[in-house]
Amino acid sequence: DADVTQTPRNRITKTGKRIMLECSQTKGHDRMYWYRQDPGLGLRLIYYSFDVKDINKGEISDGYSVSRQAQAKFSLSLESAIPNQTALYFCATSEPTSGRARETQYFGPGTRLLVL
Amino acid sequence: GENVEQHPSTLSVQEGDSAVIKCTYSDSASNYFPWYKQELGKGPQLIIDIRSNVGEKKDQRIAVTLNKTAKHFSLHITETQPEDSAVYFCGRGSNFGNEKLTFGTGTRLTIIP
Repeated sequence: DADVTQTPRNRITKTGKRIMLECSQTKGHDRMYWYRQDPGLGLRLIYYSFDVKDINKGEISDGYSVSRQAQAKFSLSLESAIPNQTALYFCATSEPTSGRARETQYFGPGTRLLVL
Repeated sequence: GENVEQHPSTLSVQEGDSAVIKCTYSDSASNYFPWYKQELGKGPQLIIDIRSNVGEKKDQRIAVTLNKTAKHFSLHITETQPEDSAVYFCGRGSNFGNEKLTFGTGTRLTIIP
């Protein structure tokens, strides 16, 4: 979805390096998410933010940190990258729908990260 | 808990045949079940969803069925076409509090021409 963009699209880094993955959205959504995708493990939630002042850990937050700089921007950082963080990373957004069950998530195109 | 199991992990079907992917969940509070399709090089995209007050929902060639008693739901694709080849993820969620979606492990569907 072109409304959710991720940079870079591909990144190769070395063990121990600090890297940042960025996500921007023009959908005007309050909620943003970071997932990683690994073969056989599906999509696992790293961090999520329901508004600019809200940051929550997901199921696999160790080794990661996030920053919600604005409604439209949500960055994921690997403070000291390690090889098992090699994965495909997705950012997603959603808009809360009061009185209803969970809302649609809109995913970015992904960032493929390789940690050597 | 909130986990959802998805089967099979890979599925190959002849073009024109039907494909079925099944997911099971354990959390009785789950009441929202979406299906996402991920094409090569792209992010997942919602294709159909169902809420717990409905047993079946159809949209052209795709349908989702829900069995709340058995805690499982399935995606059915009829008259499959080459463009149906993709990875499919099921999910579950709840409208209690700010609970987030949990996804299955994915099914790689290949349509054989």
